Amino acid sequence: QQKVQQSPESLIVPEGGMASLNCTFSDRNSQYFWWYRQHSGEGPKALMSIFSNGDKKEGRFTAHLNKASLYVSLHIKDSQPSDSALYFCAVVDSNYQLIWGSGTKLIIKP
Amino acid sequence: NAGVIQTPRHKVTGKGQEATLWCEPISGHSAVFWYRQTIVQGLEFLTYFRNQAPIDDSGMPKERFSAQMPNQSHSTLKIQSTQPQDSAVYLCASSLGLGGNEQYFGPGTRLTVL
Repeated sequence: QQKVQQSPESLIVPEGGMASLNCTFSDRNSQYFWWYRQHSGEGPKALMSIFSNGDKKEGRFTAHLNKASLYVSLHIKDSQPSDSALYFCAVVDSNYQLIWGSGTKLIIKP
Repeated sequence: NAGVIQTPRHKVTGKGQEATLWCEPISGHSAVFWYRQTIVQGLEFLTYFRNQAPIDDSGMPKERFSAQMPNQSHSTLKIQSTQPQDSAVYLCASSLGLGGNEQYFGPGTRLTVL
């Protein structure tokens, strides 16, 4: 069964700095990957998806996927206080369902 | 488009009482998901419907929890004989389909069982 693990559990980054969030998965047949963000008091909201090896950039956010290494990451450039949130990695399994990681709590320190 | 609507936003019940949580998915979305979120367990999948039919309830506690989708505009999650360990935020999400489709979440219902 697919296992999705995120690290670190929490991360403090100074405002304007780079935040790097990591996610590993166990099923080599995984094809589709999502990053979601959840602000306090709200439901998670999709940030971006990736399905090809390499980098995908959307504004200040860059996702990186390496299927051979069972690894996907999210990098946030020029971090803002509004980026403080809980970030989830989610992997589409063979039943086309999302398997969620446990989340990384990101705090941007002004 | 109001997004996914969940009511109530907060619910407090006494131990042993019943709680019913409501979800209105985004119009046109065929898949509806229910999750439970706690600090300790994180985000847990409970169940999902596709075109109103229950597809997978593997995450639902076998006793006391039930979910229904009587029509395409709403789904309910019912918890009978609530226990303190049921205290959590219950999230509903909808999507156009499975897997590669984005899930849109509601704001959640915070259930507190005293």
